[in-house]
Amino acid sequence: GNSVTQMEGPVTLSEEAFLTINCTYTATGYPSLFWYVQYPGEGLQLLLKATKADDKGSNKGFEATYRKETTSFHLEKGSVQVSDSAVYFCALGGSQGNLIFGKGTKLSVKP
Amino acid sequence: AAGVIQSPRHLIKEKRETATLKCYPIPRHDTVYWYQQGPGQDPQFLISFYEKMQSDKGSIPDRFSAQQFSDYHSELNMSSLELGDSALYFCASSLGLAVPYEQYFGPGTRLTVT
Repeated sequence: GNSVTQMEGPVTLSEEAFLTINCTYTATGYPSLFWYVQYPGEGLQLLLKATKADDKGSNKGFEATYRKETTSFHLEKGSVQVSDSAVYFCALGGSQGNLIFGKGTKLSVKP
Repeated sequence: AAGVIQSPRHLIKEKRETATLKCYPIPRHDTVYWYQQGPGQDPQFLISFYEKMQSDKGSIPDRFSAQQFSDYHSELNMSSLELGDSALYFCASSLGLAVPYEQYFGPGTRLTVT
């Protein structure tokens, strides 16, 4: 079945460091791919998405490119801020519209 | 802009009791999804509704049921609660199935079973 695997956390970075959170997926066909962010005590917010191969999703300085050949959708940001501290979930669109999430990666950014 | 509203935000119940969680989707959204997120876990899909009909079912226990009403709000009913039901329950809504994955999440209901 469809599944998502993302790198284990927690990830701790200093402010202005480069961020990469790896995400790979297993799916039949070509599902839409997403990154959601969950700030402490809050719900999930859509960060970015890509709906087909080679699409690049971007938002708030974060980027991820849909790589069909490596079945990956890695999240990157060139310079993280303390306010980026959160849990990041990679997800793919299931066959009936539901989302299938990875285990989440907790990011802590230190000043 | 209006967001998804969930009530209550926190709920404490004892084992074997029942609980009802409510979700009010974004206006004009006709599709609702329910997810369960255990402590330190990823959200797991429970069930979804489109135009008041169940559209898909995930890992929802038989003790749980849900429905979507004529005003598109949805309720998740949980009976014979167990300690393992303690979790954050998210509702998400979307506009139809044309863009099925543009899901907007509510803040969640934190259920604690003691």
